[in-house]
Amino acid sequence: KAGVTQTPRYLIKTRGQQVTLSCSPISGHRSVSWYQQTPGQGLQFLFEYFSETQRNKGNFPGRFSGRQFSNSRSEMNVSTLELGDSALYLCASSPDSNTEAFFGQGTRLTVV
Amino acid sequence: AQKITQTQPGMFVQEKEAVTLDCTYDTSDQSYGLFWYKQPSSGEMIFLIYQGSYDEQNATEGRYSLNFQKARKSANLVISASQLGDSAMYFCAMREPLYNQGGKLIFGQGTELSVKP
Repeated sequence: KAGVTQTPRYLIKTRGQQVTLSCSPISGHRSVSWYQQTPGQGLQFLFEYFSETQRNKGNFPGRFSGRQFSNSRSEMNVSTLELGDSALYLCASSPDSNTEAFFGQGTRLTVV
Repeated sequence: AQKITQTQPGMFVQEKEAVTLDCTYDTSDQSYGLFWYKQPSSGEMIFLIYQGSYDEQNATEGRYSLNFQKARKSANLVISASQLGDSAMYFCAMREPLYNQGGKLIFGQGTELSVKP
């Protein structure tokens, strides 16, 4: 069974640009959640999607958005990038929101 | 507020010895899940073990076991027979029930484990 796939693995963007990250969950999993990891703030929850609906959102500005498609694949978008958005972005896949969560390898975003 | 506390920023263990990584949590909910993840320097978050709040037996997965003490709100990870490949950052996390925060995972600050040959 394939694991959680995140693309791309690495990204370098300039301040002010926008970026889209992709996450393909484990087959059959309907819940996808996103986390931002930085050395200063640790792991912080961004949002969670289940069957194409956003069910929960973390305390991030509106520049951070996401969506989920009918095949459960999810994308997150960050607009007007800031230096502080440099982080490892992790996607987690679950059958539903109350069970084990399996993570992808992450996308490491660097904003210059 | 829900919180996970890992009090050991870094730990050393000799190869083949057992090691315990501490984790305490705070929640007012009766239903929750507890997780341990391993994060090597590559960045991938690897799922190790899961304990549900209603599970009476401590969870075990190979060399990993979770010492769950509900009354004390602790969920320590025990790694038996440490291997050099166990050197990594370890995170304890709690997942709240769907009706509260929609299954969001709350992470501790992590413990960096170094295994010495």
